[in-house]
Amino acid sequence: GAVVSQHPSRVICKSGTSVKIECRSLDFQATTMFWYRQFPKKSLMLMATSNEGSKATYEQGVEKDKFLINHASLTLSTLTVTSAHPEDSSFYICSASGGRGTDTQYFGPGTRLTVL
Amino acid sequence: GNSVTQMEGPVTLSEEAFLTINCTYTATGYPSLFWYVQYPGEGLQLLLKATKADDKGSNKGFEATYRKETTSFHLEKGSVQVSDSAVYFCALSEGFQKLVFGTGTRLLVSP
Repeated sequence: GAVVSQHPSRVICKSGTSVKIECRSLDFQATTMFWYRQFPKKSLMLMATSNEGSKATYEQGVEKDKFLINHASLTLSTLTVTSAHPEDSSFYICSASGGRGTDTQYFGPGTRLTVL
Repeated sequence: GNSVTQMEGPVTLSEEAFLTINCTYTATGYPSLFWYVQYPGEGLQLLLKATKADDKGSNKGFEATYRKETTSFHLEKGSVQVSDSAVYFCALSEGFQKLVFGTGTRLLVSP
C-alpha cells in the first residue's frame, strides 16, 4: 500500500524557536496533504489542507502565521511551528491523498513535539 | 457540527473472543464512515469503510454496518488475535476529503 513518512519522529526544542516537520509520500504523488494535531486521549483535529502548488486552507481557530505549511512538490509537505511555546507541544500527524475524488488518506506515523 | 463518539478503552480481551467497539456519529447530510487502525509505532491505516446507509464494510475479519436509523457504525470481529492489538479510530467524511475522528479505542488482546 501507499507509504507516508514523517521526519523527525520526535523533537524537543526550546520555547521561542521554530521547528520544521516533513511529510513525504514515498511511492505515490500526493496532490493533497493534510496536517492533524492529536492531544492525549483526544481525537485527531484537522489543522489544514494543502494542495500541491497552492496555499494551504486552515481550519477555524488554527493560526496560519504560527503553523506554516508548504506543499511545494507532489511528494513533500512541511509544517513549521514558528516561535514555539509549551502549549504547542503535541503529536502532529500528516496524511496524503493521491487525487481529487478519492477519499482514502494515507497517514504518516506522526511527530511528537515537546517545547520546553 | 459533525462529531464521532467512540467507547472509551482500553478494551481487554482474550484471544478468540468476540469484539465490538461502539461508534456513533452526528452529521448533517450523508457522510461516509470509516474505521482506521493504528498499530504501535505506525501511522493510521484504513481498515474498512461504508459510503451509504446499510452498506457493510469488511476487511481482515472485521465488519461494520452503516446504520442510519441509529447513527452507528460499530466495529465487530468474531475472533480476535493478539496481532489485532492496536488503537481503532472511527471517522466520518464531511466531503472534500475532510475527516472527523473519534477519540480512538485501544484494544489489548492477550494469548
